Amino acid sequence: GQNIDQPTEMTATEGAIVQINCTYQTSGFNGLFWYQQHAGEAPTFLSYNVLDGLEEKGRFSSFLSRSKGYSYLLLKELQMKDSASYLCAFLPNNAGNMLTFGGGTRLMVKP
Amino acid sequence: KAGVTQTPRYLIKTRGQQVTLSCSPISGHRSVSWYQQTPGQGLQFLFEYFSETQRNKGNFPGRFSGRQFSNSRSEMNVSTLELGDSALYLCASSLYWSSLSGNEQFFGPGTRLTVL
Repeated sequence: GQNIDQPTEMTATEGAIVQINCTYQTSGFNGLFWYQQHAGEAPTFLSYNVLDGLEEKGRFSSFLSRSKGYSYLLLKELQMKDSASYLCAFLPNNAGNMLTFGGGTRLMVKP
Repeated sequence: KAGVTQTPRYLIKTRGQQVTLSCSPISGHRSVSWYQQTPGQGLQFLFEYFSETQRNKGNFPGRFSGRQFSNSRSEMNVSTLELGDSALYLCASSLYWSSLSGNEQFFGPGTRLTVL
């Protein structure tokens, strides 16, 4: 079957680094997405990994290990505006754009 | 470039009624996907349309249906509404559809449906 897990909540301090983990199980895999969603707003795309390794985009980085079914999102130099839910989603094989989402990790950044 | 637009933004219905939600994708995008978001179940895929054809369907009852028009605009319909259908319905558009690789999906602001 298909399954995807991520922590429900995390708290971090402004200026710090936080890592949000995501594990998944699927028989076919076509990539792993991370989205950010502020309360009451639409999800916005952060990153897409299809090969193993680290993808860096400014303060945000995403890592994928296909053999371990594991990904993480790394947020550096945390800012108050980073308080949001972070959604991990994988794309099965032959599934077009049909994403399977985790429950989301609600990140609270404190001063 | 205008983003994904959804109408209406808020809707209140009663059990047994039906509802139609509309989504206009980003200009030039031809794939439209629909998702349901609830606090308990998170974001769940409903269906995806490309070139007026349903390409994928999630695990939802037949009361949920959709269609896509030649201009790529899409509508979804829910008939015989139940209390559990109360949710945020999100539409996402993508440039293309492919079974071989993923591409970025841009989400609209959603329609908040409340069923009383």
